[in-house]
Amino acid sequence: DAGVIQSPRHEVTEMGQEVTLRCKPISGHDYLFWYRQTMMRGLELLIYFNNNVPIDDSGMPEDRFSAKMPNASFSTLKIQPSEPRDSAVYFCASSLAGLINEQFFGPGTRLTVL
Amino acid sequence: QKEVEQDPGPLSVPEGAIVSLNCTYSNSAFQYFMWYRQYSRKGPELLMYTYSSGNKEDGRFTAQVDKSSKYISLFIRDSQPSDSATYLCAMNRDDKIIFGKGTRLHILP
Repeated sequence: DAGVIQSPRHEVTEMGQEVTLRCKPISGHDYLFWYRQTMMRGLELLIYFNNNVPIDDSGMPEDRFSAKMPNASFSTLKIQPSEPRDSAVYFCASSLAGLINEQFFGPGTRLTVL
Repeated sequence: QKEVEQDPGPLSVPEGAIVSLNCTYSNSAFQYFMWYRQYSRKGPELLMYTYSSGNKEDGRFTAQVDKSSKYISLFIRDSQPSDSATYLCAMNRDDKIIFGKGTRLHILP
């Protein structure tokens, strides 16, 4: 298996633009997680899904952030409109059986909002 | 007070030394404790996971949990340059997972 796949790897955009980050989890993993990592705040869980259903989105910072998982092999995290403070590395991770089960992280998307 | 505190470092030690990395936490509801390793510009990867107080050993790595003191540690024996990375502690409670900010570790050849 190729592991968790994220695209794009780097994204530079201007304030106010819509940003869509994509993730393909490891096949057979029932859980998918979206994280944000910054120097100031560290690694933060934004939202996670179980069998394509959002379970906890309490980490989503604002209504500008939304996430979907239309099927078991694809998820998106969208920011609309983007702001400079959204600049961070966004990770997608998947696991077989939940938060405390080993999570396999993707390589991340480095987002810069100018 | 933050729920999970971790010294950001950097921590520089000579090759072969024993490394001690630590986290403190404030919420006694945390039940599961994990250590993740993150190489530069990569995603974190799970190193160790433990539930109870005490020690858990895996090769050169030992995870220690002291629930009475709300303190966890990761020890690395015979440290190698390839151990140079950021180490993040993580804790689970109530279907939440909280990460420490990570400690940057440099092993000097």
